[in-house]
Amino acid sequence: RKEVEQDPGPFNVPEGATVAFNCTYSNSASQSFFWYRQDCRKEPKLLMSVYSSGNEDGRFTAQLNRASQYISLLIRDSKLSDSATYLCVVGGGGGFKTIFGAGTRLFVKA
Amino acid sequence: SQTIHQWPATLVQPVGSPLSLECTVEGTSNPNLYWYRQAAGRGLQLLFYSVGIGQISSEVPQNLSASRPQDWQFILSSKKLLLSDSGFYLCAWSVGHTNYGYTFGSGTRLTVV
Repeated sequence: RKEVEQDPGPFNVPEGATVAFNCTYSNSASQSFFWYRQDCRKEPKLLMSVYSSGNEDGRFTAQLNRASQYISLLIRDSKLSDSATYLCVVGGGGGFKTIFGAGTRLFVKA
Repeated sequence: SQTIHQWPATLVQPVGSPLSLECTVEGTSNPNLYWYRQAAGRGLQLLFYSVGIGQISSEVPQNLSASRPQDWQFILSSKKLLLSDSGFYLCAWSVGHTNYGYTFGSGTRLTVV
């Protein structure tokens, strides 16, 4: 089992749609969780941290379920500019290593 | 504010040639520094990390090496490049381990021919 697994994608959605990305992680001792966004041929950029109580930033909502070792990202009212690859990232767990998921590609079309 | 610089942006090197990629961080002291590689269509693979000057941990056996001669400087090197070394190399820094996320440099796209 991979340490961090994401939906395979790609997701193709129309503008205005709601899209959800899922991610599971294997290390129950993991302590920090993030979603990153990576545009084509660019570096990943932090989109948002994920907190145990869930958190929202505008159109983006992140959820964490520690019992199921599951993280999600919900994007509401998708924009063309949301087209990118979304990386689930899990850190801590007793070491320095932060594990990046392989990413899920999102295409938002007009 | 903190900034991270990475260069060059693109590089085409022949097989067997040496490599040196440099990464510098400004505006913070004693950052954790990381080198990642991303192959085409793949996830990020951690190559090296450093928690201080001269302290390097290697995650993946390969023909690459890393050095941290200054607190703000992280260098990725190879004596002889292989075709399989092609990829997108990213330097990143963080405060502490992982609880605040990573900030990445703009990356170096290396093609070994």
